[in-house]
Parts: sequence; structure tokens; C-alpha cells
Amino acid sequence: NAGVTQTPKFQVLKTGQSMTLQCAQDMNHEYMSWYRQDPGMGLRLIHYSVGAGITDQGEVPNGYNVSRSTTEDFPLRLLSAAPSQTSVYFCASRKRLAGEDNEQFFGPGTRLTVL
Amino acid sequence: GQQVMQIPQYQHVQEGEDFTTYCNSSTTLSNIQWYKQRPGGHPVFLIQLVKSGEVKKQKRLTFQFGEAKKNSSLHITATQTTDVGTYFCAVNSGGSNYKLTFGKGTLLTVNP
Repeated sequence: NAGVTQTPKFQVLKTGQSMTLQCAQDMNHEYMSWYRQDPGMGLRLIHYSVGAGITDQGEVPNGYNVSRSTTEDFPLRLLSAAPSQTSVYFCASRKRLAGEDNEQFFGPGTRLTVL
Repeated sequence: GQQVMQIPQYQHVQEGEDFTTYCNSSTTLSNIQWYKQRPGGHPVFLIQLVKSGEVKKQKRLTFQFGEAKKNSSLHITATQTTDVGTYFCAVNSGGSNYKLTFGKGTLLTVNP
């Protein structure tokens, strides 16, 4: 299993550009989520999905869109990039919503810089 | 949403010294998870605690969940350079199992 994969690893955008961060998992996990990590801020939840066709907002959703057309893929779209979106983005998945075997698996991250 | 305070923010130790990081919540938690992130890496799950007063060990790491389920700690005995990284606690927020809120983490550096 490849686990959780993310592309690209690095990206530089200009203000106002749009782009999609890709995330895929091959573990048949129902739950997927996107986090951003900024220095001193920990990991903040952007959007999450509890299954194909179902998405919801996290703590910092503004400026981002998501969709979940398949169990495997959960892309994150930046509609109009702003310097405040410069961050490291992590995609994560987990098998269950609660109880045992609830560990969250993270992808390697995408380092995004918006100029 | 659920707020969890993690202290200290930074900890520098000499190799062989012990290390402890704490997570505190103002509300009762259903469970708490701990993750480790090496510099430049991604968070990796360490453990989940569910029961009041629970203590779990993984080699030199000891995890505790408070009796009131409002706090937790991670203790590392005799640190090694391989322990370097940021340790995060994570809890379900807003009464939901769907939203996992992370503490801001404790960055551990170890002087060999």
C-alpha cells in the first residue's frame, strides 16, 4: 500500500492564481481531511469528508473548496490564492470515525508559497 | 470548538534526560491521541487513550490519561537523538467524532 499520497510536494503561486492540491489513499478509508500547518499554530482542519459525496467545513475553510467523488481521492482547491495561504498542507485519512483503530494517517505534505 | 492547551511549547534536553509534555482541556474528553512529527516530516500516530486513568507504554514512552479525562501527558525516559521532533496531542472537537483538533505541539530538541 502507498498509504496517503499528495502532489505536488512544492508549489509557488502568484496572488490570485488557482490550483488544486491532490490527495489519494489506497487503504479504503472512509474519512479524509485536509489540514494546514503554520509555525506556532499546530495543525488546523480545513475541510473533511466522511465518505464519497459528503464533505464539511473544518476550522479554517475560507478560500478553499473540496469534493469527494470517490473513496480514494480528496482534492483541495484554492480558488484565488492569497499570501495568507502560504503554508504546509497535509492530507489525512482514517478507517473509522471513532473507537479502536482510529489512527489518522498523514500524507507527506505540500509546501505552498503564495507570492 | 474544542480547545486543548499543550505545554511546554519548546523543550531542550541533554541526551539521557527525561522529557514530559502535557495537554490540558477545560472540558471532558472522549479520547486523546498523540502524534510525533520529525523535522520536515509529517505527523505520525503514536497512540490513542480512551479510559479514565489509562496508562500505556511504548518502550521509553509512557502515555497517561487523567482520571477526569481532561488532561494527558507523554513522558519519555532517557531521551535519545531519535526522539527529536514535535509532539502533538489531538482531541475530538465540538462534540463530534469528525473533527480532530490538534494542540500546538511541543518541540523537543536533544543535545547529544
